Amino acid sequence: DTAVSQTPKYLVTQMGNDKSIKCEQNLGHDTMYWYKQDSKKFLKIMFSYNNKELIINETVPNRFSPKSPDKAHLNLHINSLELGDSAVYFCASSPIWRGSSTDTQYFGPGTRLTVL
Amino acid sequence: QKEVEQNSGPLSVPEGAIASLNCTYSDRGSQSFFWYRQYSGKSPELIMSIYSNGDKEDGRFTAQLNKASQYVSLLIRDSQPSDSATYLCAVELGTALIFGKGTTLSVSS
Repeated sequence: DTAVSQTPKYLVTQMGNDKSIKCEQNLGHDTMYWYKQDSKKFLKIMFSYNNKELIINETVPNRFSPKSPDKAHLNLHINSLELGDSAVYFCASSPIWRGSSTDTQYFGPGTRLTVL
Repeated sequence: QKEVEQNSGPLSVPEGAIASLNCTYSDRGSQSFFWYRQYSGKSPELIMSIYSNGDKEDGRFTAQLNKASQYVSLLIRDSQPSDSATYLCAVELGTALIFGKGTTLSVSS
């Protein structure tokens, strides 16, 4: 059974296009995240949602907009794609919301975005 | 800026040796610490979590935490070629995990 899944696995697109990445978790977790891993393998938090509510919005261009239709899904929409957006985007989920801290996070397989 | 620092490596050890991976963090308020392993082209997978000062052992892996020194380490005993990967230290900072840049481990047979 896939715990955290993402689609698509690979995404190649032109500069200026708009694209979306979807994420779903079947673990019953309350909290979901989007991370970006750049070419130097640095993994950085972008967004966090708890029960469909935005908790973290790091310094990310407003071209990136997360959407959580329910607590099992967290999608990432990117407008006006730029070359610097090329990276691997990981979705993750966490089982426990302890009010002020996160717990173990489980990662999806990643989406490799290439902007030409 | 809250930071998590790791030596990028590569750290090279022969098969059967002990690999020692180190991590320091800047936020004294952090309470939860994690080690993830990431194979090339794959997603991070959790190896160990540690919350209290001292050692925590799980099979060939031992995590060590010293909150006073703001230091967390991972020891891998009897290293195997299959342990060759990038190891990411992650520190809880409120509602998020802050990751180090990872240490690449290479185990030669």
